[in-house]
Amino acid sequence: SQQGEEDPQALSIQEGENATMNCSYKTSINNLQWYRQNSGRGLVHLILIRSNEREKHSGRLRVTLDTSKKSSSLLITASRAADTASYFCATALSGGGADGLTFGKGTHLIIQP
Amino acid sequence: GAGVSQSPSNKVTEKGKDVELRCDPISGHTALYWYRQSLGQGLEFLIYFQGNSAPDKSGLPSDRFSAERTGGSVSTLTIQRTQQEDSAVYLCASSLGYSFFLHFGNGTRLTVT
Repeated sequence: SQQGEEDPQALSIQEGENATMNCSYKTSINNLQWYRQNSGRGLVHLILIRSNEREKHSGRLRVTLDTSKKSSSLLITASRAADTASYFCATALSGGGADGLTFGKGTHLIIQP
Repeated sequence: GAGVSQSPSNKVTEKGKDVELRCDPISGHTALYWYRQSLGQGLEFLIYFQGNSAPDKSGLPSDRFSAERTGGSVSTLTIQRTQQEDSAVYLCASSLGYSFFLHFGNGTRLTVT
């Protein structure tokens, strides 16, 4: 079953604007991770937030985690054309790794120049 | 250092043939994952190895799919009697262990004609 679900499925904004993507999940997690995928390539890890953390920053990225609502958000500030990609959240479950990291279906982000 | 390497990068095969996909993880990474991604879709978890053992093989779509990992390093995903619905990009990833972030290869694009 799908653990992480990203929202929206697609997002188109103007360069320079901020982009916000959300992720919801169903069960207790050890951590939540965000990845980026450019067309036709493998995924690249962006940021990992642990279950006892509420917010984390990395450059223009800001991730929040609300374990009570089982949700996370990824904010990209001052977007650039190069940020055009698909963004996925993945959850590492509290109970261990037998199921592997489970990914959502992704948010396809388009930055209009 | 070298990242995760997958071969071949592209594979076209006829329906009914067997195919082998190879993954060379980052040296020292004990965890290895296989995922499948259909066009425009999210990542479907197939199997996870911790060392040479796979705690859970239930993610494999059918008994035509098998995977092994030898020496705690290279992994092979084998698909027997390929079907057209097997067409997808097969992604391999490795990490230091479960709950650590993943390093992905660029995938093998499989096309079954």
